[in-house]
Amino acid sequence: GAGVSQSPSNKVTEKGKDVELRCDPISGHTALYWYRQSLGQGLEFLIYFQGNSAPDKSGLPSDRFSAERTGGSVSTLTIQRTQQEDSAVYLCASSLGAGPKNIQYFGAGTRLSVL
Amino acid sequence: DQQVKQNSPSLSVQEGRISILNCDYTNSMFDYFLWYKKYPAEGPTFLISISSIKDKNEDGRFTVFLNKSAKHLSLHIVPSQPGDSAVYFCAAKGFYGNNRLAFGKGNQVVVIP
Repeated sequence: GAGVSQSPSNKVTEKGKDVELRCDPISGHTALYWYRQSLGQGLEFLIYFQGNSAPDKSGLPSDRFSAERTGGSVSTLTIQRTQQEDSAVYLCASSLGAGPKNIQYFGAGTRLSVL
Repeated sequence: DQQVKQNSPSLSVQEGRISILNCDYTNSMFDYFLWYKKYPAEGPTFLISISSIKDKNEDGRFTVFLNKSAKHLSLHIVPSQPGDSAVYFCAAKGFYGNNRLAFGKGNQVVVIP
């Protein structure tokens, strides 16, 4: 497909388990972003990749959260020892570059439920 | 702290009438503003944007107005159509220098046929 693809679309896990969320950006997009949307809230920035590097990871809420990007393409967001407050929709976006006029295109998100 | 604020979380409007969504921001370093539309179970899709050097940008039925001195922008949809029923997010960037977006909480718009 031509858009941003995220998997799984839904994930239910038990508190304390680790989860991995995957994002396939639009081909050729060098910039990749992770956001999350908790219930009733706006989208909250987590981390930004330019190529395989993450120059801005200031939005990651704790050291239980990590992300990587390989081959300048696929990215994985990992949450270790999940907590109930981690329940949210995790959205990935990509853009051609990081300049101000570069539009971010979003995937449909992964809905994470921590029981 | 919420740097982008959208009040009036929901709006109902008759088909054919104007929908007006408002957004306020606190950070004067923001220099580019966007509106995204989101349907249930889908990701946000880009709708329209405006640079801080402009005060108006129009694209078909959608117009965004920016008042920099008031740190306020609005989105006008004229005429409103049932397919416009969605959640609309206001977003801003420029402060962080890396295209990172700061979002409001969104406005639910319901267009009544």
